This record gives sequence, C-alpha cells and structure tokens, in this order.
Amino acid sequence: NAGVTQTPKFRVLKTGQSMTLLCAQDMNHEYMYWYRQDPGMGLRLIHYSVGEGTTAKGEVPDGYNVSRLKKQNFLLGLESAAPSQTSVYFCASSPLTSGHYNEQFFGPGTRLTVL
Amino acid sequence: AQSVTQLDSHVSVSEGTPVLLRCNYSSSYSPSLFWYVQHPNKGLQLLLKYTSAATLVKGINGFEAEFKKSETSFHLTKPSAHMSDAAEYFCVVIPSWGTYKYIFGTGTRLKVLA
Repeated sequence: NAGVTQTPKFRVLKTGQSMTLLCAQDMNHEYMYWYRQDPGMGLRLIHYSVGEGTTAKGEVPDGYNVSRLKKQNFLLGLESAAPSQTSVYFCASSPLTSGHYNEQFFGPGTRLTVL
Repeated sequence: AQSVTQLDSHVSVSEGTPVLLRCNYSSSYSPSLFWYVQHPNKGLQLLLKYTSAATLVKGINGFEAEFKKSETSFHLTKPSAHMSDAAEYFCVVIPSWGTYKYIFGTGTRLKVLA
C-alpha cells in the first residue's frame, strides 16, 4: 500500500516550457487535491476533484490545468511555465465519508524550479 | 471569512522542555481542526485531529491539543521536546459542515536546541 505517490520528485524548467505532474493514490479515495507550498504562506489549493471525470478550481488556479480521467490519478499541467510557479507541489487525497472530518493524505511533494 | 492563524512563525525550545504552538481559528460553525507536521523535504503527516468527540485530543509522538471554543483556539502542546520534533507544523481547519476543503495556517517552524 503505497498511499499517495507523486512523479517526478524534482524538475527544472525554462520559462515557457510545459510539463505534467502525476499524482497516484491506491486507497480508492474519491477526493484528490493539488496544492502549492511557498515559504511563509502555508499550502494553497490549486485545483481539486470530487470524483473521476470532475475537477474544480481552488484558491490559486491560474496557469494550471488538471485532469482526473481515472479515479486513482490526478494530473496537474503547466502549459507555459513562469518563474512565479517555482514552488513545491503536493498532492493529497481523502475518502468520501459522511462525517464532518475528512482527513487528507499527502504525497511526498514535487520540487519545481522555473528559470 | 473562515480562517486559521498560527501566532508564531518560529518557536525555539530546549530539548526536554515543553512545547506550545498556538493556533486560532474563525468559523461560523463547529469546525474540524487538524495539526500536521512536515519534516524537512518531506510530505505532511497528520499529528492529531479534533472532530467534536472530545476537547482534549491526543496524537502521535506525545503531542496533544485542546479545543477551546470560547477562545477559538486549538493549541498544540508536548510536555518534553525531543530533537526529532524539529519540523514545521501546520494548523488546518475545515470550517463548516459539508465541506471538505482545508484552510491551512501559515506554519510554525519548531527548532529544538540541544
């Protein structure tokens, strides 16, 4: 049981290049999330998904696109990378529950540098 | 607006002394609250969560937190710090029923001195 995995772990891009970050989870969770972490700002939600084939914008969606074609995978795309997108990206997943609390499980992160 | 405030960006303690990391939240409803820890270059790990069952919540590695509705606080404590506790700690709130999105605090970096 690997939990939440992210590919790649590190990446360096030049301004204007594109790339896709892959998140995979083996816990059969309904919800998946992409965050970015910047110093002094905590984690901010980029996009999220409440189920296969559905996505929605979070707090900071500009410059990113996502897709959830399979329940276990959530892809984050940068079409034209900018230096402002230099960050650490975390994926998370959580189960569909009837309870109020809904623990999220996090991947190890992807460190992206845009030159 | 719903939010969460971590009152200290950095905290330093000596090994063996108590740890207090402060968190205040704002919410119109009874929230769910979490503390996560992030060790250097690692992902986030859940320390503990408050889900309205008990106001004093015990977590992993000797940490605990107390939910105080009158003070809108959820401070994290540990009686005796260990060198391995050095990390960044995030307070998180799910502010209202029926939502699933986290609101993160900005984090508190804990330094443990030998």
